[in-house]
Amino acid sequence: KAGVTQTPRYLIKTRGQQVTLSCSPISGHRSVSWYQQTPGQGLQFLFEYFSETQRNKGNFPGRFSGRQFSNSRSEMNVSTLELGDSALYLCASKTSGETDTQYFGPGTRLTVL
Amino acid sequence: AQSVTQLDSHVSVSEGTPVLLRCNYSSSYSPSLFWYVQHPNKGLQLLLKYTSAATLVKGINGFEAEFKKSETSFHLTKPSAHMSDAAEYFCVVSEGVGFNKFYFGSGTKLNVKP
Repeated sequence: KAGVTQTPRYLIKTRGQQVTLSCSPISGHRSVSWYQQTPGQGLQFLFEYFSETQRNKGNFPGRFSGRQFSNSRSEMNVSTLELGDSALYLCASKTSGETDTQYFGPGTRLTVL
Repeated sequence: AQSVTQLDSHVSVSEGTPVLLRCNYSSSYSPSLFWYVQHPNKGLQLLLKYTSAATLVKGINGFEAEFKKSETSFHLTKPSAHMSDAAEYFCVVSEGVGFNKFYFGSGTKLNVKP
């Protein structure tokens, strides 16, 4: 099976712009989660989607949003970009079982200038 | 909410010596616990997971971890370090619906000296 794929891998934006990141989960996985990784804050949970519904949410402002499509692919959107949004954004997918393993994609490196 | 504390931000060992990476967690109920490894410019890879079965969990590449409820610890060990083990290691606890809300520790960078 192919792994979790994320596009694009690298992105450069300027302050005030918005950005959309995409994640394709492993085939058969219905849960998709998003994380932000920065040197200062480490890895932080953004949100999780399951069957097109946001099921879990972290502590990020409303500028961060997401959605999931019927084929389980997910997108994450960040509006009104700030310098502090520069980070590696990781997507992870898993099946529906509680004890199943979460598999991570390679990430999208976002740089905000 | 759950939290995870990795007690060492950096650990340095010599090749062939044991590895110990320490992790403590806080939880109001039985958690699911994981260790992930991140090599430079690579994605996160699952090393092992504890999900209320055996308290001693064996993972990939010779790593294992022991869940100690009385000490709220989940330390990662390996008997003999290899140069390829040099990476950053994250202890993770999950909660939320479906246990899909992951809380990551701050990470421990493992350096292996020849």
